[in-house]
Amino acid sequence: DTGVSQDPRHKITKRGQNVTFRCDPISEHNRLYWYRQTLGQGPEFLTYFQNEAQLEKSRLLSDRFSAERPKGSFSTLEIQRTEQGDSAMYLCASSFLGGVNTEAFFGQGTRLTVV
Amino acid sequence: TQLLEQSPQFLSIQEGENLTVYCNSSSVFSSLQWYRQEPGEGPVLLVTVVTGGEVKKLKRLTFQFGDARKDSSLHITAAQPGDTGLYLCAGAEIQGAQKLVFGQGTRLTINP
Repeated sequence: DTGVSQDPRHKITKRGQNVTFRCDPISEHNRLYWYRQTLGQGPEFLTYFQNEAQLEKSRLLSDRFSAERPKGSFSTLEIQRTEQGDSAMYLCASSFLGGVNTEAFFGQGTRLTVV
Repeated sequence: TQLLEQSPQFLSIQEGENLTVYCNSSSVFSSLQWYRQEPGEGPVLLVTVVTGGEVKKLKRLTFQFGDARKDSSLHITAAQPGDTGLYLCAGAEIQGAQKLVFGQGTRLTINP
């Protein structure tokens, strides 16, 4: 296991369509985060899982967004009825609860373009 | 809402010069992480500082965490064109999810 993996790397979709992204964290990491990054900005927190439990969601996460981590391993982020404002880089990060510090490692991201 | 102010947002200097990037907040963080991000890629972790006053060195890069764990700096000595990129600081919240609060980033360009 060499790091956090995200799929797909790029997604172009028409407005109104649904999209789903996948994140495979570092295998021993029990914490998983989703962030969103728009051009010229730092990443913004979307949601957090500890094992399979979704423990925190940002107010940025509208009702059209849903995330799951069914077995405490990989996670999916679904966006329903996409809007042009959803265009961004979606980043997944993982870390280990119980470690000495809170180092988080990021995947390569999924670049979403809504046309 | 915790905020992390990063400055400068853009910096263009000549090869061989020194530079410092700052991250400041009114909030205390459990740790502070510095990342470097290339276009179209995710952030890559450079260093994590945990203890107030801590200094870490990574070759020509020196990272410092403020005594009160509210601010941090990145100093690059004798910058090289390979240092060009987007540098992000991120503070980890003390409680709960310990999610990261990011600065806006510093776009660094080192000219040969």
